[in-house]
Amino acid sequence: RKEVEQDPGPFNVPEGATVAFNCTYSNSASQSFFWYRQDCRKEPKLLMSVYSSGNEDGRFTAQLNRASQYISLLIRDSKLSDSATYLCVAQAGNFNKFYFGSGTKLNVKP
Amino acid sequence: EAGVTQFPSHSVIEKGQTVTLRCDPISGHDNLYWYRRVMGKEIKFLLHFVKESKQDESGMPNNRFLAERTGGTYSTLKVQPAELEDSGVYFCASSLGTARFFGPGTRLTVL
Repeated sequence: RKEVEQDPGPFNVPEGATVAFNCTYSNSASQSFFWYRQDCRKEPKLLMSVYSSGNEDGRFTAQLNRASQYISLLIRDSKLSDSATYLCVAQAGNFNKFYFGSGTKLNVKP
Repeated sequence: EAGVTQFPSHSVIEKGQTVTLRCDPISGHDNLYWYRRVMGKEIKFLLHFVKESKQDESGMPNNRFLAERTGGTYSTLKVQPAELEDSGVYFCASSLGTARFFGPGTRLTVL
């Protein structure tokens, strides 16, 4: 069983749409969570950390539900430049190891 | 401030050959990580250095992989001898705290 599961997509949405991704994690002891963005053939870049109380950064909102062991990312008013793969990460274990989901691909179309 | 850099960006080698990948972390970052993504799979942890010491190498696939970080600055990851299944993108990351900052990766192709 994978540590972190994501719907691979692709999610094809028009500009201006709101889109949400979910991600589930299997280790209930996971301590920290992140969303990374990865453009084609580039490195993952930190988009935002995910806090228990939920957090917002501009058009992006991240939520954590520990009881159900899932994390969500909401993107409002999608831009063409939001097209990328979004990686969900859970951090767990003695050495704070990162466990990646396989990513959700988003295509924002004009 | 310079980010994490990796060299080479691409490497194509034949099965049985040796390849050495290099990572230069962000200056001042004690933590250095190696990850790998093989085609169609998620990014997976290989190992973690704190300064020059291996903190966790539980993700290293087998003894054909050797990572070093002499002096606690840059790190190398050597694959010897390379096998077909070693093909993938090898990412290095560094951190001070929790969040990792990734390098551009080395795309390794073993023929």
